[in-house]
Amino acid sequence: DIQMTQSPSFLSASVGDRVTINCKASQNINKYLNWYQQKLGEAPKLLIYNTNNLQTGIPSRFSGSGSGTDYTLTISSLQPEDVATYFCLQHSSRFTFGSGTKLEIK
Amino acid sequence: QIQLVQSGPELKKPGESVKISCKASGYTFTDYAMHWVKQAPGKGLKWMGWINTYTGKPTYADDFKGRFVFSLEASASTANLQISNLKNEDTATYFCARGGFYGSPDYWGQGVMVTVSS
Repeated sequence: DIQMTQSPSFLSASVGDRVTINCKASQNINKYLNWYQQKLGEAPKLLIYNTNNLQTGIPSRFSGSGSGTDYTLTISSLQPEDVATYFCLQHSSRFTFGSGTKLEIK
Repeated sequence: QIQLVQSGPELKKPGESVKISCKASGYTFTDYAMHWVKQAPGKGLKWMGWINTYTGKPTYADDFKGRFVFSLEASASTANLQISNLKNEDTATYFCARGGFYGSPDYWGQGVMVTVSS
């Protein structure tokens, strides 16, 4: 089974900051990597699919990059409404979620 | 618009069973698989498996073989999750999610909180 290591677990940043969250797969996942945002008490929302494709309706300050085993979610200018937990998901071989990154405003 | 509406919260005793439903609308139900995902209180997301909504064939993750059953009422665009012989560690929110891009979850239900307590 493919394991996903997500970092950091917790992130505190200021409004307007550039924020990056990372996921590392235990083997090459060929860009089959999604990112989700989960606000407190809500269902996860798909932000980015297949590494760098923005889901419809998601603000352009969110972007994704990566290849092979290493992937990154970037928020170019952090907004108050971005407070949430972010998860990656590999779907190259079955499905495995990362452990999550809790993002708060400093 | 695409919606997945799940059934309401459940309070059960250890050893009992529970059945959760997920009603889809806004798309052709049998064109997309349905995933099930577990989230224990304060924890991350765990993929439980999925069901092919065209053939009805389920696939279970290793940790969810035995007491967990995925089923369909395709005529009602509904997917179901049944958990038997409930244990305290089954206390969690259970999400259904449509298998969209390359089969990965895109649209999610609101989640069902299942509490197992004596």
